Amino acid sequence: SQTIHQWPATLVQPVGSPLSLECTVEGTSNPNLYWYRQAAGRGLQLLFYSVGIGQISSEVPQNLSASRPQDRQFILSSKKLLLSDSGFYLCAYKDTGEQYFGPGTRLTVT
Amino acid sequence: RKEVEQDPGPFNVPEGATVAFNCTYSNSASQSFFWYRQDCRKEPKLLMSVYSSGNEDGRFTAQLNRASQYISLLIRDSKLSDSATYLCVRFDSNYQLIWGAGTKLIIKP
Repeated sequence: SQTIHQWPATLVQPVGSPLSLECTVEGTSNPNLYWYRQAAGRGLQLLFYSVGIGQISSEVPQNLSASRPQDRQFILSSKKLLLSDSGFYLCAYKDTGEQYFGPGTRLTVT
Repeated sequence: RKEVEQDPGPFNVPEGATVAFNCTYSNSASQSFFWYRQDCRKEPKLLMSVYSSGNEDGRFTAQLNRASQYISLLIRDSKLSDSATYLCVRFDSNYQLIWGAGTKLIIKP
């Protein structure tokens, strides 16, 4: 069965610091992968999706970037965090239409 | 206009009651729909897919009305553990899912 991992679970970072969040998927090959952000009390905002290694599509222009160095690894990065980057970051993979989410990373930028 | 709209609630419902909420969408070419459940500070989890003919899973019934462009979720005999935010999502392509902002449900004893 497929599983999806994200780390860290929580993170507190100062404004202007870099960010790297990692997501890995097990039990499937060549999955479509997604990064979402959810602000407190809000819906899911799609940030990036990837249909294969090195293939990244960006949905929202911002100071974040994503990379997919391996088939089942998806990384979200930033060179300089903003206060507005605070939120709940979720990685997901798609399997026959449905999406399945990792446990998320709760990021607080101070 | 948002592509997928939901009443944010909260819906305050006594335990054992039946509750229903809708989700409207604006793209008539939408192919597939799903309901997810999200507990506080947790990731969304798939509740059920929504089929054109309607489908039922235990106490939960999902329906799709293409003519009026909405999907619905009905919960019978509600339990305290049903308290959560319910997200609807439409799926239009191999890559894109469009999410509603969610409806918050609170079941009270």
